[in-house]
Amino acid sequence: LAKTTQPISMDSYEGQEVNITCSHNNIATNDYITWYQQFPSQGPRFIIQGYKTKVTNEVASLFIPADRKSSTLSLPRVSLSDTAVYYCLVLNQAGTALIFGKGTTLSVSS
Amino acid sequence: NAGVMQNPRHLVRRRGQEARLRCSPMKGHSHVYWYRQLPEEGLKFMVYLQKENIIDESGMPKERFSAEFPKEGPSILRIQQVVRGDSAAYFCASSRTSGGNSVDEQYFGPGTRLTVT
Repeated sequence: LAKTTQPISMDSYEGQEVNITCSHNNIATNDYITWYQQFPSQGPRFIIQGYKTKVTNEVASLFIPADRKSSTLSLPRVSLSDTAVYYCLVLNQAGTALIFGKGTTLSVSS
Repeated sequence: NAGVMQNPRHLVRRRGQEARLRCSPMKGHSHVYWYRQLPEEGLKFMVYLQKENIIDESGMPKERFSAEFPKEGPSILRIQQVVRGDSAAYFCASSRTSGGNSVDEQYFGPGTRLTVT
């Protein structure tokens, strides 16, 4: 299973763009990169998933370079409510269990 | 469409008692996963079940823990003879399928916070 490395914490202000980078040097050909968000006292929530290049949805964008050894979650114009822990996961089509690290704690201030 | 339901939300047990945690997956989902989260830690996978089958229990402690997902009714995570170290948040997730041509996202419930006194 590919191990992921991401910053423990990040700070931002409302209205800024936040980019959280995750390293996954041992990613395999069939692996997908997935990001989850977790608020205190809640279960994680799926944000976005990608395989290569760029993926965008109504919440975030995911940038994946050609070698796929890293990925960057981009949150445009964050608000206070984006304060949460963000987890980067790598999983393959046959994968079942999600392997969570400690995630990145994003703190957004006014 | 209701999300993943877990109950109870909070459970207090004394050492040596049994804890039973229930999870109802989203409608149409036949795959259930249980995770445990200790304070300040990420979630740790415990077990993956489909209806009436345990598919992967590689994350389950060898003793005192068991899980089932019967043909009818919710999935149950059972912890016998609880100890203080079992205090944690237990999350259940469900997905529609597993594997295939894409990786289905897992939908998580609100969790059950178990406190062992």
